[in-house]
Amino acid sequence: EVQLVESGGGLVQPGGSLRLSCAASGFTFSGYWMSWVRQAPGKGLEWVANIKQDGSEKYYVDSVKGRFTISRDNAKNSLYLQMNSLRAEDTAVYYCAREDAWRDYWGQGTLVTVSS
Amino acid sequence: QPVLTQSSSASASLGSSVQLTCTLSSGHSSYIIAWHQQQPGKAPRYLMKLEGSGSYNKGSGVPDRFSGSSSGADRYLTISNLQSEDEADYYCETWDSNTWVFGGGTKLTVL
Repeated sequence: EVQLVESGGGLVQPGGSLRLSCAASGFTFSGYWMSWVRQAPGKGLEWVANIKQDGSEKYYVDSVKGRFTISRDNAKNSLYLQMNSLRAEDTAVYYCAREDAWRDYWGQGTLVTVSS
Repeated sequence: QPVLTQSSSASASLGSSVQLTCTLSSGHSSYIIAWHQQQPGKAPRYLMKLEGSGSYNKGSGVPDRFSGSSSGADRYLTISNLQSEDEADYYCETWDSNTWVFGGGTKLTVL
């Protein structure tokens, strides 16, 4: 059974940093692109970033370029999102998702709140 | 970049059928999309990939009541024999030039 479990969310002040993690199991993690998608409270889904199987390609939505970094550790079956210079508008539930051409499995999400 | 347009809300009666629409912006009518369901308080769930030809491939465990079809720039998700658990938000998504976009979502109410 495919499982994706996010962690690392919490309350952080504007300008602060946070690192999200996603632990994957039930599939060959190194064989798939992976991504982060977020959802602000009461709003729709927004793709944030994704990363190729070997980490050689990474893509970001414009609003997080230069502030967020996606990475992965295939030996640990883990996906990460380093978030720096956080803003109030980054407040959202962050979902980890597997990509098999399409986002076919999602984690349960972790809430990030940016507030003073 | 493609833009996906969805109606903000829809409603239908228990046991009936409903068709949700996702419209691709001009110049992107051939694009493949995916449909996702998000039940209240839960994570999204992948439903299907849907091509411009109308061909679709559903995700693991998606009931037969869910089907897809296409016409021009419109991509449809049809849910037959509506159940209470189908009350959810439905999102379409597509990609272009290493950028992914979601539609605004349709909130489906089962009466």
